[in-house]
Amino acid sequence: DIVMTQSPDSLAVSLGERATINCKSSQSIFHSSKNKNYLVWYQQKPGQPPKVLIYWSSTRESGVPDRFSGSGSGTDFTLTISSLQAEDVAVYYCQQYYDVPLTFGGGTKVEIK
Amino acid sequence: QVQLQQSGQGLVQPSQTLSLTCAISGDSVSSDLTAWSWIRQSPSRGLEWLARTYYRSQWYYDYAISVKSRIIITADISKNQVSLQLSSVTPDDTAVYYCVRGSQASVWVWGQGTLVIVSS
Repeated sequence: DIVMTQSPDSLAVSLGERATINCKSSQSIFHSSKNKNYLVWYQQKPGQPPKVLIYWSSTRESGVPDRFSGSGSGTDFTLTISSLQAEDVAVYYCQQYYDVPLTFGGGTKVEIK
Repeated sequence: QVQLQQSGQGLVQPSQTLSLTCAISGDSVSSDLTAWSWIRQSPSRGLEWLARTYYRSQWYYDYAISVKSRIIITADISKNQVSLQLSSVTPDDTAVYYCVRGSQASVWVWGQGTLVIVSS
């Protein structure tokens, strides 16, 4: 199984400041023939299903604010919120879809400092 | 716009079978571009993928090893839906269960979730 490790478990950021979340996979999730990394980032708020922010590691989902961006390749990935807003308080997850079993990071809780 | 509407039991007795259905709109369960998974979430297990089915000239099924002996995922083309059955449930199966569309070639879409409590 591909193990997804997120860090940190939680972080507190001031409004308007940058938040950075890391996700590391135990093996490469880059498909060379497709030139894509099979990683998705989610935002989850209490009582709601996860919401897709980024897929293929760096493609922003339609309607997602451009303060959210994804980067990285191979085994190391980053979700960046460039200017934290109050509505961004949530838990963020990464998930690989390179192979089954689909696996998830443990989540990063983002709060306002 | 793809929408997934989940239905099924919210309370299941221990040793019984959990049954959930996911009605699909805006896409076809037999699309050759996507796949349909069931994923659950609990405080103890986090997000856990359980099963997947997809159609590529024939139906394919994948299951998580942790539940493989107890789980069945099925697709119904006539009703455009996917279903989950999990047998011999225990309190450890208490979780929010999600129907999810997604694959390497399609965008990920989640159903609203169904809280299933296993209790007598």
